[in-house]
Amino acid sequence: NAGVTQTPKFQVLKTGQSMTLQCAQDMNHEYMSWYRQDPGMGLRLIHYSVGAGITDQGEVPNGYNVSRSTTEDFPLRLLSAAPSQTSVYFCASSYSEGANYGYTFGSGTRLTVV
Amino acid sequence: SQQGEEDPQALSIQEGENATMNCSYKTSINNLQWYRQNSGRGLVHLILIRSNEREKHSGRLRVTLDTSKKSSSLLITASRAADTASYFCATDSDSWGKLQFGAGTQVVVTP
Repeated sequence: NAGVTQTPKFQVLKTGQSMTLQCAQDMNHEYMSWYRQDPGMGLRLIHYSVGAGITDQGEVPNGYNVSRSTTEDFPLRLLSAAPSQTSVYFCASSYSEGANYGYTFGSGTRLTVV
Repeated sequence: SQQGEEDPQALSIQEGENATMNCSYKTSINNLQWYRQNSGRGLVHLILIRSNEREKHSGRLRVTLDTSKKSSSLLITASRAADTASYFCATDSDSWGKLQFGAGTQVVVTP
């Protein structure tokens, strides 16, 4: 099924560990982004990409790295996990061509840092 | 900081009633979008309204945008129990796809 696939769905990390959250889309969307959602809040943009090889920081980029080597994949790396990074992470892809557009979110990765 | 703020924070209605929620934002926008999130799930894109549009319809959804007041409203008509979810507005102010979300409105529709 076409869409955005995030793995893993759940993860528990110890403080200081590193890990990569995977995100893949099969819709050939140019734009991809990572958000985090904390309880009682909306999503906040972590990093963003307008195409392969191009990334940019969002509102809350500290502690995270991204790369976009292909159109399909946009992994998010936590360098040294901290309890403050406990959150639900969503990856999204989108496109815009004239009057046509599309936005698709993945189902999320629930991360707990202990 | 969050661009959008939804009002009310929570809304409880009965099936068949209409649900209205509002979103205010701070800076000029290219477009404003509404999303639905069922408990523990991802976001589903509902509707997008561009800055030069004032009203848009999609099925039972009606969205208005007032750029002079920096506000938008989402109306769900003839609500159903399946409409129970959190609803978020998101603004696109910078470049396509960089969204700023509000904190959401929790809607509960009781049969």
